[in-house]
Amino acid sequence: KQEVTQIPAALSVPEGENLVLNCSFTDSAIYNLQWFRQDPGKGLTSLLLIQSSQREQTSGRLNASLDKSSGRSTLYIAASQPGDSATYLCAVRPRGGKLIFGQGTELSVKP
Amino acid sequence: DAGVIQSPRHEVTEMGQEVTLRCKPISGHDYLFWYRQTMMRGLELLIYFNNNVPIDDSGMPEDRFSAKMPNASFSTLKIQPSEPRDSAVYFCASSQDRGGYGYTFGSGTRLTVV
Repeated sequence: KQEVTQIPAALSVPEGENLVLNCSFTDSAIYNLQWFRQDPGKGLTSLLLIQSSQREQTSGRLNASLDKSSGRSTLYIAASQPGDSATYLCAVRPRGGKLIFGQGTELSVKP
Repeated sequence: DAGVIQSPRHEVTEMGQEVTLRCKPISGHDYLFWYRQTMMRGLELLIYFNNNVPIDDSGMPEDRFSAKMPNASFSTLKIQPSEPRDSAVYFCASSQDRGGYGYTFGSGTRLTVV
């Protein structure tokens, strides 16, 4: 059974710092992996999608990497800003299956 | 487009009552998903539809839960009878691709069963 784990559960950093969020999954037979952002009381916004054949994706200050063999993904946020404060969720799509989410990392960026 | 629209935003009901949650997906999206989010279990997929047809309802917790999609622009999730353990935030999402890219989530319905 596929399980997705995100570490740490919560993270607080000063503005301007570069940071890394971690995601691990137990079954490497995935179709893709996706990072989402959730603001309090809101739905989820898709940030980056990495197909199983890819190693990384970039969007602005965000960079996501995927190492399928080790069952790991990281989300790198450069020059963090208070507006980056949110919960970040990782989700994997097994082949032929439905998205499975991690529990999320709650990020707080202090001014 | 106004995005995925869910109603109501908040619902408080007494145990045993019927609850109906509503969702309007983005026009042109042919996949619709119902998720439930709790602190204990995180985000769980309950059911999803493709072209108004239920494809996978294995996440529906029990027979008290039912979902319908009578047309491409409307879906409901019904709980009858409701129980306190059903208290959660219920999200609807739509997509042009079952794989997840292009998922658009609604703002959710926060359900409290007392």
